[in-house]
Amino acid sequence: ETGVTQSPTHLIKTRGQQVTLRCSSQSGHNTVSWYQQALGQGPQFIFQYYREEENGRGNFPPRFSGLQFPNYSSELNVNALELDDSALYLCASSRVGGAGEKLFFGSGTQLSVL
Amino acid sequence: DAKTTQPTSMDCAEGRAANLPCNHSTISGNEYVYWYRQIHSQGPQYIIHGLKNNETNEMASLIITEDRKSSTLILPHATLRDTAVYYCIVRSHYGGSQGNLIFGKGTKLSVKP
Repeated sequence: ETGVTQSPTHLIKTRGQQVTLRCSSQSGHNTVSWYQQALGQGPQFIFQYYREEENGRGNFPPRFSGLQFPNYSSELNVNALELDDSALYLCASSRVGGAGEKLFFGSGTQLSVL
Repeated sequence: DAKTTQPTSMDCAEGRAANLPCNHSTISGNEYVYWYRQIHSQGPQYIIHGLKNNETNEMASLIITEDRKSSTLILPHATLRDTAVYYCIVRSHYGGSQGNLIFGKGTKLSVKP
């Protein structure tokens, strides 16, 4: 149990639609990052938020966007869904500062785009 | 961040030690070696990390070679619940995007009765 919760656990959408995924970080953590994991692959970094601002982004188009709220909960929004967006989306929280910054992951949201 | 190379899969008998190797020949001086694992249908779980000294915690031991070009994760007494994909990752603690871990495909460890 990591203390990071994600909702919903599963979601089915149609190509072209928009989706919002939610994450609640572990208490005391000030950084949240999002990952996309396609079947059989390792997770790929989408972006990270620190103090409610995006401060790092992987190779994902602008239709992937996010928000971090003052209570350190977070959202991942994906517009104009494509079939290839079908994947497990993982949220991870951490606390910036000090050595040994471990990420604590949620169990993910399985998104299927039809 | 440096790239890592891991075997695709490994088997281990229950109760025996599981030794998972990782090559990271281009690691730089300020990069740490991290290990995470992912059990089916769950998010990755932190196991252990180290810079140059060997490390041990309640889950595993991490042995890093003197030249730091490779490391081995040791699960001393593997159980069926240790069946998972194990990821070796190298990363710096400096700069932005501390949440950016570069995952490869990892090693699929199967612990058999």
